[in-house]
Amino acid sequence: EVQLLESGGGLIQPGGSLRLSCAASGFTFNNYVMTWVRQAPGKGLQWVSGISVSGDSTYYADSVKGRFTISRDNSKNTLYLQVNSLRVEDTAIYYCAKAVRAYATSPPLDSWGQGTLITVSS
Amino acid sequence: EIVMTQSPATLSVSPGERVTLSCRASQSVSQSVNDNMAWYQQKPGQPPRLLIYGASTRATGIPARFSGGGSGTEFTLTISSLQPEDFAIYYCQQYNNWPHTFGQGTNLEIK
Repeated sequence: EVQLLESGGGLIQPGGSLRLSCAASGFTFNNYVMTWVRQAPGKGLQWVSGISVSGDSTYYADSVKGRFTISRDNSKNTLYLQVNSLRVEDTAIYYCAKAVRAYATSPPLDSWGQGTLITVSS
Repeated sequence: EIVMTQSPATLSVSPGERVTLSCRASQSVSQSVNDNMAWYQQKPGQPPRLLIYGASTRATGIPARFSGGGSGTEFTLTISSLQPEDFAIYYCQQYNNWPHTFGQGTNLEIK
């Protein structure tokens, strides 16, 4: 069974930093593109960032480019999102999600974690 | 980035009815034979669930009452006979171009 377990969220002041983690199990992690998606309270889904199977290629939404960094450690089956220079509008549940197919370069997302909440407030 | 626009924002329907949700992309999300469009369902307090990808392929375990169609910039999700568990928010997503943008969602509510 595929499992994705996010952690690292919390209450943080504007301008602060956090590192989110997503521990993956139940599939061959290093064969799948991985993605972060966020959802502000009461709002819709926003795609945040994606990373290739090797980690060599990374992609970002314009709203987070230059502030967030996605990475992965295939030896630990873990996906990361370093979030810096946080703003109030970054407050959201952050989900990690797995591609529907192995080796798909630009895939939809068939498995999601339960999410970790970042609250940015002074 | 590609902007995805869903309509309507809210749809009030009765169980047993047939319903069609729409999604429009600001530019084509189809390449060759691939329509790079997905639909997700989300219920309160839960992560999204993949329903449809490739515009018309049902994901694993998705009932046959869900069907997707369209190509290029215009896509639809049809639920043939609404069940009580289908009342939720539905999102479209294009994965043709990075960033893989979502629509704003359609809230399917009980009439």
